[in-house]
Amino acid sequence: AQSVAQPEDQVNVAEGNPLTVKCTYSVSGNPYLFWYVQYPNRGLQFLLKYITGDNLVKGSYGFEAEFNKSQTSFHLKKPSALVSDSALYFCAVRENKWGRSQGNLIFGKGTKLSVKP
Amino acid sequence: EADIYQTPRYLVIGTGKKITLECSQTMGHDKMYWYQQDPGMELHLIHYSYGVNSTEKGDLSSESTVSRIRTEHFPLTLESARPSHTSQYLCASSDLGLGETQYFGPGTRLLVL
Repeated sequence: AQSVAQPEDQVNVAEGNPLTVKCTYSVSGNPYLFWYVQYPNRGLQFLLKYITGDNLVKGSYGFEAEFNKSQTSFHLKKPSALVSDSALYFCAVRENKWGRSQGNLIFGKGTKLSVKP
Repeated sequence: EADIYQTPRYLVIGTGKKITLECSQTMGHDKMYWYQQDPGMELHLIHYSYGVNSTEKGDLSSESTVSRIRTEHFPLTLESARPSHTSQYLCASSDLGLGETQYFGPGTRLLVL
């Protein structure tokens, strides 16, 4: 069965410092991995995804994520956090079987990122 | 501009009323989804559709129903609203590219009194 874990309910970072939001996953085969961001009273916005190829994926708003197959992780990173990055971040996984998506997208429970000035 | 729309954005309604939450997309996507999310909490898939005349129940049991008569339209209906239905409802659609990226509407916040 597919699953995804976000071990931190909240991450606090000072503006200008690097940030990391952690995500680990479990699928029986290869994964498709996603990060979404949700601002208050809004829907989810797609940030980036890992399909195949380069382990470092670059996305919107200066975010990037590193796929690590041996650690089954897909941590979201940004070199310099902004106060406006404060939001709820969701990691999601779906199994990749022979280049096709299997099953529904499974979301983590979310991590609240708080960036202080 | 291709987008996904939800109306109303906010709804306050009394117990026992019938409600329909609207979702439309101009993305040209075949697959559409409904999620339920309590504020700041995880998402629960309640319904999805592969295309016209296709509807499936999701992982979370829901008293709501959905229909898919047109590709771009995926409304969700509650025949008799209850306070336990108070939540945020998010509609999404997905492309057919690798991974089938989902794109979300702005959500409808429902409060049942």
